[in-house]
Amino acid sequence: SQQGEEDPQALSIQEGENATMNCSYKTSINNLQWYRQNSGRGLVHLILIRSNEREKHSGRLRVTLDTSKKSSSLLITASRAADTASYFCATAYNFNKFYFGSGTKLNVKP
Amino acid sequence: NAGVTQTPKFRVLKTGQSMTLLCAQDMNHEYMYWYRQDPGMGLRLIHYSVGEGTTAKGEVPDGYNVSRLKKQNFLLGLESAAPSQTSVYFCASSAPGELFFGEGSRLTVL
Repeated sequence: SQQGEEDPQALSIQEGENATMNCSYKTSINNLQWYRQNSGRGLVHLILIRSNEREKHSGRLRVTLDTSKKSSSLLITASRAADTASYFCATAYNFNKFYFGSGTKLNVKP
Repeated sequence: NAGVTQTPKFRVLKTGQSMTLLCAQDMNHEYMYWYRQDPGMGLRLIHYSVGEGTTAKGEVPDGYNVSRLKKQNFLLGLESAAPSQTSVYFCASSAPGELFFGEGSRLTVL
């Protein structure tokens, strides 16, 4: 399978804490993206990092990419109850095919 | 903006019945995709299309057919539904670097 794998499968934290989730993949990629899915809804794009980038920020999100280890991490700082959702990494092996991992389910307790 | 619209949102079928899921996008995207999401499995790519009149197989194409007769529409067909096809189906279209998802179609095959 070309899917990425997220770790941990589930994460429960208190509001205000930081949440870190990781993604590992198997083969060379063009880019890696993170998506969020609220319960019962479709996925929403959060951030993209290209294979020649090492770190990227967007608001409270920080994404890192280590191509030598074939891994990425998503950090959500100062989490809020509204961040409760499942988070997925998606790897792009060419520019129009995307493969998803099984996701990290984040619960932020108020 | 409607974005990506899937119909129907819910459907219950008996084994052996056929049905078609319709996906429509109003963003003039060339690429469109069908994924299925099962608990603990993440999203798996069924079929995709890189433009009007084209289709290609993804990771799990068996038991499904697709058509892209118009640029804005991507149809997913089940010719003879099986209980293993009980899932939530997501359609997506893509701009460079980002997938846009519909809200999903929940299919149950009895």
